Amino acid sequence: DAGVTQSPTHLIKTRGQQVTLRCSPKSGHDTVSWYQQALGQGPQFIFQYYEEEERQRGNFPDRFSGHQFPNYSSELNVNALLLGDSALYLCASSLSAQETQYFGPGTRLLVL
Amino acid sequence: RKEVEQDPGPFNVPEGATVAFNCTYSNSASQSFFWYRQDCRKEPKLLMSVYSSGNEDGRFTAQLNRASQYISLLIRDSKLSDSATYLCVVTDAGNNRKLIWGLGTSLAVNP
Repeated sequence: DAGVTQSPTHLIKTRGQQVTLRCSPKSGHDTVSWYQQALGQGPQFIFQYYEEEERQRGNFPDRFSGHQFPNYSSELNVNALLLGDSALYLCASSLSAQETQYFGPGTRLLVL
Repeated sequence: RKEVEQDPGPFNVPEGATVAFNCTYSNSASQSFFWYRQDCRKEPKLLMSVYSSGNEDGRFTAQLNRASQYISLLIRDSKLSDSATYLCVVTDAGNNRKLIWGLGTSLAVNP
């Protein structure tokens, strides 16, 4: 039973560029949440997808957008990258009726 | 006041010691509580959920005090492998799917 997977594992971009991160949820899970974790900080909630719709959103600008596909996998897109977007981006999946979230290994993004 | 607050530590303890972490939360309507463990440069992993009656899993005991709005984690007989950051997590009162995270408490268990 595969757990949550994310790709790529590492990414280097320059300011102003755009990036797409990908996540496949744990088998049987239908809800995907995205988090940003800066160094030395706890994860910050970006948004959550369920039934291919954004259901909840944290305090992140519109530069951060996402998508969920019919197979429940998800993408996080960040436009016009800033230096401050450098962080570990974590994807977590869960069953819609439960709260326990299981995390993928994350994508480490560095913006130069 | 932050929604979820933890003492960042670091806590440095010898092997075999007992160590306790506390975490306070601001919204009295929060319903679910968790402790996650995060190793350096790894993703968070669920350590245990926290129930009103308290719960124990081996050397780990979690407690919830709703009146004072805090949760605790007790680790007995610390092992070197317990060295990690322990993150307190609370579900948003209005949306049980949204997790609110503390900054984490760093624990180093020394030989």
